[in-house]
Amino acid sequence: GQQVMQIPQYQHVQEGEDFTTYCNSSTTLSNIQWYKQRPGGHPVFLIQLVKSGEVKKQKRLTFQFGEAKKNSSLHITATQTTDVGTYFCAGFNTNAGKSTFGDGTTLTVKP
Amino acid sequence: DAGITQSPRYKITETGRQVTLMCHQTWSHSYMFWYRQDLGHGLRLIYYSAAADITDKGEVPDGYVVSRSKTENFPLTLESATRSQTSVYFCASSERSSPLHFGNGTRLTVT
Repeated sequence: GQQVMQIPQYQHVQEGEDFTTYCNSSTTLSNIQWYKQRPGGHPVFLIQLVKSGEVKKQKRLTFQFGEAKKNSSLHITATQTTDVGTYFCAGFNTNAGKSTFGDGTTLTVKP
Repeated sequence: DAGITQSPRYKITETGRQVTLMCHQTWSHSYMFWYRQDLGHGLRLIYYSAAADITDKGEVPDGYVVSRSKTENFPLTLESATRSQTSVYFCASSERSSPLHFGNGTRLTVT
């Protein structure tokens, strides 16, 4: 079945440092979605990428979708304490008919 | 998200008891999902439904039963609760390939 690998599992940074999480799928994806889960909260949708090579930005967050539509990344520039949480990618495969979540990257930010 | 509600928010039950977690959405989304999230882990899909009266197993369906007689409701039943089912359960809804909207979760403890 479809597998989505996400690395790293944990990332500890000093406030102001950059952060990147990577997502790799075993199959070609129709789209990829990114979610953020704050501690004690529920996953909240951030963005969806659909096109090969697509790059989208949300303030300090940059999302990329690979040319082969099998990998993606989320980069945060100059992290802030408000960025703490777990970031999940979810890849949608048309054949599977549903999204498969990566295991998430948990970000902690030291002030 | 106000459009998807889970109940109860917290539940403590004993081993062997039957317990039902409720999920209700007001968007008329076709798809609904149940995930479990164990401490420090990602989201594991238990069951999902593409429409009323259509349900499919996810990664970890054993010990769980679902039904979907109405589009807006997707209850999850633990027929005979075990300690290993202590977890946080998230319900979500979406249209096919669209972002998921998650409920606030139910924190279940089985003693």
